Amino acid sequence: QAQLVQSGAEVRKPGASVRVSCTASGYTFTTYGVTWVRQAPGQGLEWMGWISAYNGDRELAQKFQGRVTMTTDTSTNTAYMELTGLRSDDTAVYYCARRVMGVEAAARQPIYYYYMDVWGEGTTVTVSS
Amino acid sequence: DIQMTQSPSSLSASLGDRVTITCRASQSISISLNWYQQKPGKAPQLLVYAASSLHSGVPSRFSASGSGTDFALTISSLQPEDFATYYCQQTDTAPCSFGQGTKLEIK
Repeated sequence: QAQLVQSGAEVRKPGASVRVSCTASGYTFTTYGVTWVRQAPGQGLEWMGWISAYNGDRELAQKFQGRVTMTTDTSTNTAYMELTGLRSDDTAVYYCARRVMGVEAAARQPIYYYYMDVWGEGTTVTVSS
Repeated sequence: DIQMTQSPSSLSASLGDRVTITCRASQSISISLNWYQQKPGKAPQLLVYAASSLHSGVPSRFSASGSGTDFALTISSLQPEDFATYYCQQTDTAPCSFGQGTKLEIK
């Protein structure tokens, strides 16, 4: 079945960078996108952005623009998320998830919707001096 | 950015109870609304997509409704495995924001 396996926990000092990987199996990688979501300790979920594994199109939350790079490697079915200029408030669990697109065709105009149906186990990134 | 507001933030209920969690968007999002369940230390799991479509394998005691700005997730008869935190998420417009979460606890 479809599965996403993420890289292991990371510890970084403030100002450093981190790259988290997310390797897909059990489905055709290029048919879907990959979304990245993070969760600070004891807090809710925060959407960071997504990337198409088909053509590399991407959208980033404005707060991460300039600090986050999302890429994919279709030869290894792996998505990457790199975060630079780390701060203590970047300490969080980072999740990747498969992004699925659907269409509601019954409406007068087709309605496109998106959801995340397969999630990685999460990668803990700790930023501490 | 679209703000998603869940209510209540926390809820205490007993086994067998019927509970409803609501989610309101700051502007119309049509049916671009998903619900996720998260248990401590685990990744979120998809429950509902497109406002009312139950994800494969989700028990039928879960149901969801709504469109536009107002949405609801209902659990008809609480089971022990349902005690968790629930999040709504809009995917109409980036950033695809989540609600703040509703923690469902055993009374």
